[in-house]
Amino acid sequence: QKEVEQDPGPLSVPEGAIVSLNCTYSNSAFQYFMWYRQYSRKGPELLMYTYSSGNKEDGRFTAQVDKSSKYISLFIRDSQPSDSATYLCAGLTGGGNKLTFGTGTQLKVEL
Amino acid sequence: ETGVTQTPRHLVMGMTNKKSLKCEQHLGHNAMYWYKQSAKKPLELMFVYNFKEQTENNSVPSRFSPECPNSSHLFLHLHTLQPEDSALYLCASSQEWDGPGSLHFGNGTRLTVT
Repeated sequence: QKEVEQDPGPLSVPEGAIVSLNCTYSNSAFQYFMWYRQYSRKGPELLMYTYSSGNKEDGRFTAQVDKSSKYISLFIRDSQPSDSATYLCAGLTGGGNKLTFGTGTQLKVEL
Repeated sequence: ETGVTQTPRHLVMGMTNKKSLKCEQHLGHNAMYWYKQSAKKPLELMFVYNFKEQTENNSVPSRFSPECPNSSHLFLHLHTLQPEDSALYLCASSQEWDGPGSLHFGNGTRLTVT
């Protein structure tokens, strides 16, 4: 079983839709959870991170973690074509920067 | 130039060749990483360097040999690779005060082994 599971997609939505991207994980030692965005032919860039359970909002993006069910979500409101990318979730135990990534979900936002 | 720069962007090599990937970061970070990204697979951590010292080798085959001459430069020397080594190789850097899990990635080198 992979430590972080993610549906690879592609997920195709119309412009303006609310997007929900999800991951599950198995490692109970994860304390931090990250979402990275990767555009085609680019490296991943950190969108946001969350510590433990709860929500975190940044503009149109909301990250949510439910440690009881080991479920991580990223919501994108009013999605734009520029949001089209692959979204990678990752977990991190307390020390260092040794991230465990999911496979990524490809998102396409269409006009 | 800012950020993390990787060269070359694309590399095609035969199984008997020797080549090197280069990474340079202009962020003043003290940790650098090599990751492998293959289709339909999670990012795989290969090596970690902190203050030029290797602190992580994630059971990587010896045909991959990293080198970190200083905190700004990282190399990955390649020799006698296999076709399954074809992938996107990503370099990243980080600094503690950027927050947990805050890696700055380059745009990668797309490697094809023929």
